[in-house]
Amino acid sequence: GAVVSQHPSWVICKSGTSVKIECRSLDFQATTMFWYRQFPKQSLMLMATSNEGSKATYEQGVEKDKFLINHASLTLSTLTVTSAHPEDSSFYICSANLAGSETQYFGPGTRLLVL
Amino acid sequence: LAKTTQPISMDSYEGQEVNITCSHNNIATNDYITWYQQFPSQGPRFIIQGYKTKVTNEVASLFIPADRKSSTLSLPRVSLSDTAVYYCLVGDIRTGRRALTFGSGTRLQVQP
Repeated sequence: GAVVSQHPSWVICKSGTSVKIECRSLDFQATTMFWYRQFPKQSLMLMATSNEGSKATYEQGVEKDKFLINHASLTLSTLTVTSAHPEDSSFYICSANLAGSETQYFGPGTRLLVL
Repeated sequence: LAKTTQPISMDSYEGQEVNITCSHNNIATNDYITWYQQFPSQGPRFIIQGYKTKVTNEVASLFIPADRKSSTLSLPRVSLSDTAVYYCLVGDIRTGRRALTFGSGTRLQVQP
């Protein structure tokens, strides 16, 4: 199946700093990628849809100025958590679909800890 | 996208067959049913997908009745390593521009 990677797998940062997380589709092109957030013992919550060459669309309640998304190529989307605070500590997971496919492929996730 | 309802948790023993049922009463005509498995601190892993009737692969079977308002994931002879959260998702994402929405999932605990 299709492979989606994320980097870094985990990151610890100080409050107030910005953190960038990369999501790559390794063996297919993805015009659209998705970013989810998952808190402990909870389900995945869709944050935003990343569209190659255009602005991302954000789910209700997700601040677009805090979670900057860039989809510069057909294989790379980045999520930047700006001015991170401890409450942003979470597990961030990206995913992508093969066009025409009914299957959504997920990355391994990135654990963010903000001190 | 169709809302799904699953049991919050299930317990089983090694070697048993586990059946997890998911309810999706408002499934749309073009929606597919997909099940994912998630281990702690990992991304969801695709298990099986179907549209109607029965689908079987090397790890699981998926039973879908004619009305498609529910589906059952069947895991034959579970082992300790099958302890995970299982999610049932319903949707039509063939355009590649829509994301699947996760419900609460079923936490399966397999004991020796």
